[in-house]
Amino acid sequence: TQLLEQSPQFLSIQEGENLTVYCNSSSVFSSLQWYRQEPGEGPVLLVTVVTGGEVKKLKRLTFQFGDARKDSSLHITAAQPGDTGLYLCARTKASGGSYIPTFGRGTSLIVHP
Amino acid sequence: NAGVMQNPRHLVRRRGQEARLRCSPVKGHSHVYWYRQLPEEGLKFMVYLQKENIIDESGMPKERFSAEFPKEGPSILRIQQVVRGDSAAYFCASSPPGMVRETQYFGPGTRLLVL
Repeated sequence: TQLLEQSPQFLSIQEGENLTVYCNSSSVFSSLQWYRQEPGEGPVLLVTVVTGGEVKKLKRLTFQFGDARKDSSLHITAAQPGDTGLYLCARTKASGGSYIPTFGRGTSLIVHP
Repeated sequence: NAGVMQNPRHLVRRRGQEARLRCSPVKGHSHVYWYRQLPEEGLKFMVYLQKENIIDESGMPKERFSAEFPKEGPSILRIQQVVRGDSAAYFCASSPPGMVRETQYFGPGTRLLVL
């Protein structure tokens, strides 16, 4: 059972377009993370959101955490080819002195020049 | 300032052989995590280790898989008697000690292909 549903699964757009990808769950999160994974590499953490309704911005990327803390969105403005990659959301659970992320299956984004 | 290093980057094994995957964490990091990524399943947690101790192995298959993080040297993920279903990308991540959420750094992965 997938605890996190990400949509769309694939997205192919032209440079300069805007896009939004989504991460949804039937459960409440204590926190949610977004990662980007480029082809042939490991995931890189972009942001962690903790508070319901929270909005964080990272240059052209805007992350929003739903008021009920069951969903999140990532909006990219004026996409560039360098934004190409797999965008993963993850919820974290505490385990033995650390936090372990549980990932969704991701949205694969291709931005064409 | 080296990040997480994994080797080899690519590994080919025949069915029944053993695979050993190595992970050197960021200097000063004492927590190591292993994940497996399959196209049809996504990125899944396998095991969390601190120096010489397994803390959480809830994602490890019960047979053929083992992991260690010795006092000296890299962390090792060992897969005995590999089968084709073990073909995947295996990622290691590390973090410093302490309960801080935003601190897992991933390596570039080892791509295992079982023929």
